[in-house]
Amino acid sequence: AQSVTQLGSHVSVSEGALVLLRCNYSSSVPPYLFWYVQYPNQGLQLLLKYTSAATLVKGINGFEAEFKKSETSFHLTKPSAHMSDAAEYFCAVSEGNQGGKLIFGQGTELSVKP
Amino acid sequence: DTAVSQTPKYLVTQMGNDKSIKCEQNLGHDTMYWYKQDSKKFLKIMFSYNNKELIINETVPNRFSPKSPDKAHLNLHINSLELGDSAVYFCASKGTAYGYTFGSGTRLTVV
Repeated sequence: AQSVTQLGSHVSVSEGALVLLRCNYSSSVPPYLFWYVQYPNQGLQLLLKYTSAATLVKGINGFEAEFKKSETSFHLTKPSAHMSDAAEYFCAVSEGNQGGKLIFGQGTELSVKP
Repeated sequence: DTAVSQTPKYLVTQMGNDKSIKCEQNLGHDTMYWYKQDSKKFLKIMFSYNNKELIINETVPNRFSPKSPDKAHLNLHINSLELGDSAVYFCASKGTAYGYTFGSGTRLTVV
């Protein structure tokens, strides 16, 4: 069965510092992988997705993620954090079958200190 | 135009009541979903429909009943509401190339 683990329920960085949010997945077939961001009291916004094309995926707001099959990882990075990046981040996996449902990780809350 | 719209945005109701949440998408997608986000922000799939046919029915109490009158609409009806049903419910649709679009959510509070 597919699953997602996000390491660290809360990450705190200083403004201008590197953002690294970790995601490991388990899947029996080549997965589709996603990162979503949720701002307080809002819905889910897609940051980026991996669908078996380039392993380094660039998303919105300066975020990117690298698919590493050998490590079953899909970590999210941003070179320089902004205050506006403070939000909840979710990694998700879909195997393409089972109705294409998304399986989400537990979420990581990102705080950005001035 | 909002791609995936849910109504209402907020719903406060008493235990034992029956309520419905509506979802509409104007993206032409064939597949729609309901997800539940609990108080710890964990998101879990509840149901999925593909072109009006139920294809995913996770372990959800049968007090929850989805209905899809056409492929653009997926409603969620909840009978005999309980305190534990308090959550944010998200509707989503899936297009080609695994483009998922989520609604803004319905915050249900059962008192």
